[in-house]
Formats: sequence, structure tokens, C-alpha cells
Amino acid sequence: QQPVQSPQAVILREGEDAVINCSSSKALYSVHWYRQKHGEAPVFLMILLKGGEQKGHEKISASFNEKKQQSSLYLTASQLSYSGTYFCGTLRGSNYKLTFGKGTLLTVNP
Amino acid sequence: DAGVIQSPRHEVTEMGQEVTLRCKPISGHDYLFWYRQTMMRGLELLIYFNNNVPIDDSGMPEDRFSAKMPNASFSTLKIQPSEPRDSAVYFCASTGGGRPYGYTFGSGTRLTVV
Repeated sequence: QQPVQSPQAVILREGEDAVINCSSSKALYSVHWYRQKHGEAPVFLMILLKGGEQKGHEKISASFNEKKQQSSLYLTASQLSYSGTYFCGTLRGSNYKLTFGKGTLLTVNP
Repeated sequence: DAGVIQSPRHEVTEMGQEVTLRCKPISGHDYLFWYRQTMMRGLELLIYFNNNVPIDDSGMPEDRFSAKMPNASFSTLKIQPSEPRDSAVYFCASTGGGRPYGYTFGSGTRLTVV
């Protein structure tokens, strides 16, 4: 079952913060986050595991609420390079069938 | 490492023709995935392999689609006969098993069926 992402799109000015949400109606084992720039392949950002800690690097971090089956991606002090479409992918159980949400288009303007 | 390598990058074919997409995963990765991306349906998992064995092909649209992985370094996705609704970007991805790693995607093949 495909996870639901919100918002569908967000426009920021450089330096502003954003939060992207991902939710599932089914119990999750892990959540992945990817960023895809126009005409390119999705690039892995981070993974959050059931029972794991919040992950992050630099100004991009994420959390995973197991009880609510929700994950959030936090982008702080956004940079122009953060522009792109962000996808969450979810895994149920320990199989490798990663199912992606429809994506959130993030645009960072100067 | 060269990453996941896909060929061709672009393919334009006529309806009814056979199309073969190719993928070389990252050396040492034992999971390989084929995804299709369209505006309407987003990123869809078509099939995935573990140690060259197909594990889940429930996403393959119909019998016109087939995928093989004859060895650890090569996989193909074949469409025969092709139809205009098959037009999409097809991505191959791989990951290492044993630990939860992210998936590394290839650059994709943009398929246009006219």
C-alpha cells in the first residue's frame, strides 16, 4: 500500500525551514527518504528503522513515529541545492519491497 | 565504484516492437530492483531479485513484461510487444543485503513507444 505524503508541493526562500510528512495505514518496518532532481535518478538520503533513533546529517534530519506509522523529514536553513522532489519509501516486514509515496516537490528560491 | 549502470539512456520504438532494457548493479549488491516512473503512477516496483532469483514480480503489469537476471552483474527487462502506454522512465536499483541500506538507482532508461 502506497504511503501518503504531504504537502504535495512547497515553495521556500533560501534559509527557510520545511517539514515533509509521510504516513502509512499499515505497520512499517522502516522508512526511506530520497531526493530526485529533474531528469535524474532518486538519491538516497536516509533510512529510519522501527525502534531506531532519529537520523540526520547536516541540516536534513528525519523522525519515525512507530505508533502512528508516520515519518517526517526536516529541512532546516534550506539551500538552493535542496530543490527537488522528495519521496518517502516504506517497507513492511523484513522484505525488500520498497513502496514509494507520490512525492513532494520542494522549490527553494533565492 | 561506477554505480548502477543502465542502458540505453533513451529508447524510442514503434508500437509492437520488442524492447530490452539492461542493468548492471553495483558489485557486491545482492538485491536488484526494476522500477517504472510515470507522472500518473509515480515510482512503481515491477520486480526484484535476490541472488539472481526473482522474489516478487507482482508489480509486472502483464505478460508482455519479463525480467531476467542470468548472473550477479547483469539483468534485463523486456517488453514484447511494446505499447504506447509503456512509455515511462525505467529505473534499475540495487542494494546490499544483511543490513538495511538505501537503494542506489541507475540513471534510468527513458522509453518512448510511438
